[in-house]
This record gives sequence, structure tokens and C-alpha cells, in this order.
Amino acid sequence: GENVEQHPSTLSVQEGDSAVIKCTYSDSASNYFPWYKQELGKRPQLIIDIRSNVGEKKDQRIAVTLNKTAKHFSLHITETQPEDSAVYFCAARFGNEKLTFGTGTRLTIIP
Amino acid sequence: NAGVMQNPRHLVRRRGQEARLRCSPMKGHSHVYWYRQLPEEGLKFMVYLQKENIIDESGMPKERFSAEFPKEGPSILRIQQVVRGDSAAYFCASCRNRGHDEKLFFGSGTQLSVL
Repeated sequence: GENVEQHPSTLSVQEGDSAVIKCTYSDSASNYFPWYKQELGKRPQLIIDIRSNVGEKKDQRIAVTLNKTAKHFSLHITETQPEDSAVYFCAARFGNEKLTFGTGTRLTIIP
Repeated sequence: NAGVMQNPRHLVRRRGQEARLRCSPMKGHSHVYWYRQLPEEGLKFMVYLQKENIIDESGMPKERFSAEFPKEGPSILRIQQVVRGDSAAYFCASCRNRGHDEKLFFGSGTQLSVL
């Protein structure tokens, strides 16, 4: 089955700086890669997603890049703000099957 | 659209009791997933259901756990004879169809505590 690895497990950045979280996946046929943000005690919320036929997607301060050859994808958050502090999860889906999640990155924005 | 609704929000059970977790998907969604999350850990897939059909239960423990999504009513995750190790947050998620880029939306979860 699909295996997703996520790094780093914790990340602290100064407010205003950029944050980058990276994930790798095992199944080269995976074709959909969403990112979720989970605040303490809350539900995971979809923040951005990318399909395998696209190399990059941007939504305001958030961007995701995909390298199919290397089987990795990354989340980039620019001009970080305190409200960006949360746990971020990447995920991958092979075909029409289940989403497999990474182990999460705890992002802390230092004011 | 009320979103994915889960109840109860918190459930306390003693060892050996049964736990029933309910999930109503978003309006228009016919596919439901259940995930388990332990503190400080990721989301572990348990089961994927379509109405009246289990599509993938590869993440479900073979004993004590079962899931259903009837034609009418919510999806139910049932845990029989609970043990302390079952304590976790159980999240339900739904999507509209079975497609590779279908977006998955999560409920607020049920926090199960086994005493």
C-alpha cells in the first residue's frame, strides 16, 4: 500500500519568515496530494491540494509543489503569521482509494 | 450545508462496554471514511464505506471493530468490549464520489476515553 513520510516533525519559524514542509510517497501511481491543517482539538481542514498533472499550485500565502520523478511534494507558507501555528498533514491517494496521511508537522510561529 | 456531523463529541466507556460512534456526511456525499488519531500522532485509516457497501476495511482491527453505512441514517463505527488502548480521537470524513481527486472533508471527531 501507499506510504507517506513527512518532515520535519516540528518546525519553529519567526513571524514573517517562510515555512517549508516536505513529504515523500512510495506509490508512483499516486495522483492526488492534499494538505490539511489541524488546530488543537479541532478537525483537520483542507487548505490546498494538487493533482499529479500539475507541478505547482498557489493560493495567497500558501503554495504546494510536486516532483513526480522524485516522488515528493512540499508545502510552502510565506509571510507566516501566529494563526498559522498548527499541525499540518500531507496525504496521498492512489487511484480512487483511501487517502494515506503523513505523520504531521507541528508548526510554531514565534512572534 | 452543516458539514460532516459526528456525535457524540466525547464518549466515556468502561472496559468491556460497547462504543457507538455516529457520522452524518455532508449533504450530497455518499462516501465515508473513518480515521483514528492518537495524541501527538497522525491519522490512521480504518475503513472506507459507500452506502450499504464496505469498499476498504484494511485498516480495521479484525476483532471487536465494525462499521456500517446504511441506506438511511448515519454511518456507525462500533467497538465492542472496549479496552484502554481504544482511547483515541475517531474522525469521520466524507466525499461526494469515488474519484481520485475528490476532496475529503472531516467532522469534528469523537474523543473516546476508556476507563
